[in-house]
Amino acid sequence: DVQLLESGGVLEQPGGSLRLSCEASGFTFSSFAMNWVRQAPGKGLEWVAVISASGDRAFYADSLRGRFTISRDNSQNTVFLQMYSLGVEDTATYYCGRGNIAGVPAAPYYWGQGTLVIVSA
Amino acid sequence: QSVLTQPPSVSGAPGQRVTISCSGSSSNIGRNFVYWYQQFPGAAPKLVVNQNNQRPSGVPDRFSGSKTGTSASLAISGLRAEDEAVYYCAAWDSNLNGLFVFGTGTSVTVL
Repeated sequence: DVQLLESGGVLEQPGGSLRLSCEASGFTFSSFAMNWVRQAPGKGLEWVAVISASGDRAFYADSLRGRFTISRDNSQNTVFLQMYSLGVEDTATYYCGRGNIAGVPAAPYYWGQGTLVIVSA
Repeated sequence: QSVLTQPPSVSGAPGQRVTISCSGSSSNIGRNFVYWYQQFPGAAPKLVVNQNNQRPSGVPDRFSGSKTGTSASLAISGLRAEDEAVYYCAAWDSNLNGLFVFGTGTSVTVL
């Protein structure tokens, strides 16, 4: 079975940085693109970024480009989301989502359970 | 603010058929696949319709998707209490450098 396990969510101060991880199992990780999607409390879904299977291409939501960086380590079956200059508006549950193809763009097909990031002083 | 517009809520009695609309534009729904996700409170989203009208394995055939022009729809027939959830449409937007956009979400209530 496809399993995605996010981690790294914590309470962080405004202006801080954070790196989220998503460890995958149950499939050949290096064959699929990976996404990050977030959801603020009580709000809808917001797509964050996607990275190709090989890691050579990535796309970002316009509003987040420059502050967030998606990367992956295929030897560790893990995709990362590095976040900088965090603001209260970044408070959300962050989900990783596996695409169903190698290239990008690839919509989230399978989802992890999410990790909660709270940005507060 | 999402570029894909959905009604905030729809409702129906058990056994009825409900339809959720998703309105977009020529840069997203008009030229790219539409996806539909189901989300229960406190849970992760789940894909119920892939690439306009394909059901992933395990999704009941009561769920069906369609697309016409710049709009898409998700129909749930034979409505059941377990279908009560929030549903989101989504699509890639070709005008926004590969941006994936979600709809505003529709809460389905089973009366």
